Amino acid sequence: EAQVTQNPRYLITVTGKKLTVTCSQNMNHEYMSWYRQDPGLGLRQIYYSMNVEVTDKGDVPEGYKVSRKEKRNFPLILESPSPNQTSLYFCASSLTGQGDNNSPLHFGNGTRLTVT
Amino acid sequence: AQSVAQPEDQVNVAEGNPLTVKCTYSVSGNPYLFWYVQYPNRGLQFLLKYITGDNLVKGSYGFEAEFNKSQTSFHLKKPSALVSDSALYFCAVRAPLMDSSYKLIFGSGTRLLVRP
Repeated sequence: EAQVTQNPRYLITVTGKKLTVTCSQNMNHEYMSWYRQDPGLGLRQIYYSMNVEVTDKGDVPEGYKVSRKEKRNFPLILESPSPNQTSLYFCASSLTGQGDNNSPLHFGNGTRLTVT
Repeated sequence: AQSVAQPEDQVNVAEGNPLTVKCTYSVSGNPYLFWYVQYPNRGLQFLLKYITGDNLVKGSYGFEAEFNKSQTSFHLKKPSALVSDSALYFCAVRAPLMDSSYKLIFGSGTRLLVRP
């Protein structure tokens, strides 16, 4: 089954304790992206990756890191989480992010992060 | 600036009645528009998209959307609502970036509540 898999689904942590949220897709998609969803703000893009070893900042990258060593994986890293990073996080992928291709995004089921 | 607005936080409709979820956009160049739906504890799912051609676009689960260039709108519609349509709906517009890639800008979301 074609899917985007995020882990964990729920995570509670304390300020400053490094954490990683994993994301994997099995559709051979080139493009992957991380979003955070907050009430009244919709989805805001954190980082995106056009292909292996190619990553770039989205609209709200501060406090986050990503890597794209393999095509299928795109982990989100919070080196020193803070309470304002408490949010619902989504990983998404699509065939490509280039040019006129308008392939839809496929989303994971989300990771609800709470930082105390 | 490129943006998407969903003016209603919530839309309430009785089962069997028609529904409309509103979306307006601001984008340079040709607009590429999308609707996604989010069910509880799930990621967003693609419903439909407008790229070019007919102004009325048909999508999944009986939904359709009407593109209106003069009003810069892309309202989501369904002739007869089902209780199972109750979910959070997001409108999105494709925004071109400098390097010929693109990203999706999402609206803040509209919660649809269909009462029996």
